[in-house]
Amino acid sequence: KAGVTQTPRYLIKTRGQQVTLSCSPISGHRSVSWYQQTPGQGLQFLFEYFSETQRNKGNFPGRFSGRQFSNSRSEMNVSTLELGDSALYLCASSQSFYEQYFGPGTRLTVT
Amino acid sequence: QQQVKQSPQSLIVQKGGISIINCAYENTAFDYFPWYQQFPGKGPALLIAIRPDVSEKKEGRFTISFNKSAKQFSLHIMDSQPGDSATYFCAPSGGSNYKLTFGKGTLLTVNP
Repeated sequence: KAGVTQTPRYLIKTRGQQVTLSCSPISGHRSVSWYQQTPGQGLQFLFEYFSETQRNKGNFPGRFSGRQFSNSRSEMNVSTLELGDSALYLCASSQSFYEQYFGPGTRLTVT
Repeated sequence: QQQVKQSPQSLIVQKGGISIINCAYENTAFDYFPWYQQFPGKGPALLIAIRPDVSEKKEGRFTISFNKSAKQFSLHIMDSQPGDSATYFCAPSGGSNYKLTFGKGTLLTVNP
């Protein structure tokens, strides 16, 4: 089976812009989670989707949003980018929630 | 409020030695206790996980020990190899909140 794929792998944006990151889960997986990883804060939970429904959302401002499509693919969007949004954004998929498999991440740099 | 405390922050062991990483948690609703391994430039990979109905689980050189009363669980890596050099995270979850709560990570270095 192919693993979790994330696109793009690297991204450079300017403050104030918005960005959309994409995640394709492992075939058959219906749960997709997003995490932000930074050296200072570590791995922090953003949100989790199952069958197009958001089941939980982390403590991030409303500039961070996400969605899941009927084929389980997911996107996350960050509007009005700030320097502090520079991070590795990780997507993970699983059949129900447990045993999450992570993708390689999207490295976002905000200048 | 730090729900998950992982220790040590870094660990250096010799090849063939035993690596032990600990994780303490506060949330008694946690019912799933995984360990993840992350190499530089890669996403975390699930290494081993345990449910609270057992006190120990072993998979190859990796063992999880779980102490429900102490609200702690640990990862033991037997016969540590240089290829085990990576960052390890505990990430318990539960209570139907559908999120992994990651520890700060332990950087393991195994010297040849």
